Amino acid sequence: DVKVTQSSRYLVKRTGEKVFLECVQDMDHENMFWYRQDPGLGLRLIYFSYDVKMKEKGDIPEGYSVSREKKERFSLILESASTSQTSMYLCASSQTGGYTEAFFGQGTRLTVV
Amino acid sequence: QQPVQSPQAVILREGEDAVINCSSSKALYSVHWYRQKHGEAPVFLMILLKGGEQKGHEKISASFNEKKQQSSLYLTASQLSYSGTYFCGTELRRDDKIIFGKGTRLHILP
Repeated sequence: DVKVTQSSRYLVKRTGEKVFLECVQDMDHENMFWYRQDPGLGLRLIYFSYDVKMKEKGDIPEGYSVSREKKERFSLILESASTSQTSMYLCASSQTGGYTEAFFGQGTRLTVV
Repeated sequence: QQPVQSPQAVILREGEDAVINCSSSKALYSVHWYRQKHGEAPVFLMILLKGGEQKGHEKISASFNEKKQQSSLYLTASQLSYSGTYFCGTELRRDDKIIFGKGTRLHILP
């Protein structure tokens, strides 16, 4: 069974903290994604990685960075967390080949206080 | 850059049909459709490629008009289990990032 695992379901952090959200996939997928989900705004892409150490900004990269040192792991970093970054964060992965679906993790509900 | 979905929300009775639309201002390579139930991760339903190929769910169908950059998801004889939020996602080229719309909330009444 394919699996995308996010390290935490719920996380509470203080304003100004550096926050790491981890995502691991066990399907040997080349593509990995970080999305942010807010009510009424849908799934907004933060960053996309198409290979190890390769990344591309999505629609809302400001305040975030990513790291992909190994194929199976994609980390989202909030350099200095702010209350506006309180949200649900979803990681996804997909295989290249032009005809493949994305598999999502269960999400991390981050609250910044 | 997000594709535009319509309607934003739909309420149906069990057995009724629904159509959810997705449109883009850019030429598309593919359109994906996903369903998300409350508190769960989005789950893949269907992918449609330009040129007519598609892969997906047995009981749900979709169309892709490449010239208009539009896709529609057809839910016929809806079941209670169809309730959830439906997202379309678009790729501009092969193996590209997937950009999702704001979603369509579907609620099925018994």
